[in-house]
Amino acid sequence: SYELTQPLSVSVALGQTARITCGGNNIVSKNVHWYQQKPGQAPALVIYRDTNRPSGIPERFSGSNSGNTATLTISRAQAGDEADYYCQVWASSSVVFGGGTKLTVL
Amino acid sequence: QVQLVESGGGVVQPVRSLTLSCAASGFPFSSYAIHWVRQAPGKGLEWVAGIWYDGYNKYYADSVKGRFTISRDNSKNTLYLQMNSLRAEDTAVYYCARDSIVATMSGLDYWGQGTLVTVSS
Repeated sequence: SYELTQPLSVSVALGQTARITCGGNNIVSKNVHWYQQKPGQAPALVIYRDTNRPSGIPERFSGSNSGNTATLTISRAQAGDEADYYCQVWASSSVVFGGGTKLTVL
Repeated sequence: QVQLVESGGGVVQPVRSLTLSCAASGFPFSSYAIHWVRQAPGKGLEWVAGIWYDGYNKYYADSVKGRFTISRDNSKNTLYLQMNSLRAEDTAVYYCARDSIVATMSGLDYWGQGTLVTVSS
């Protein structure tokens, strides 16, 4: 089965740029989606199909996908960006999530 | 506006059954695939099952295959998850989530608030 690997945690200073990676075999061939989940809330889609932002998501959120790694980039990080982030693909007739990354804004 | 509201969670003994429902509104329910995703306490997201817009194509995670059944009633705008032979490891918040208009292409764009299932004797 297909697996997605994310770092357990990422820290970023307030106002700086955070990058969260998602590793998978030839992930460039797949559509990667990213979700943000704050404590006590349902997940929310922040990037779809590698690079696209749903309406209402700030331009500070961007995505890329190349080779075996997809990346979620959060520019000018704010305290409100602290959350868990999950990548997701469709593979082998299954929705596959990465293990999640806890983003801490210092 | 798009709304997904789960119900049916609760405390259930091991090996017993439970059925969850997800009531949808604010969009043409019969045009979208819908999924169940769960999250055990303190853990990450785990996909459980998905059903395509017409109810014919259904997909399951290996961890629930043969025990859980996903279904939908497009006349009632409602999604279901029949859970049999429940185990302690099925304890989780269960979310229903809407897929994009072209299933699997653009992520799960709307989520319910979840319903907690606790499997315990």
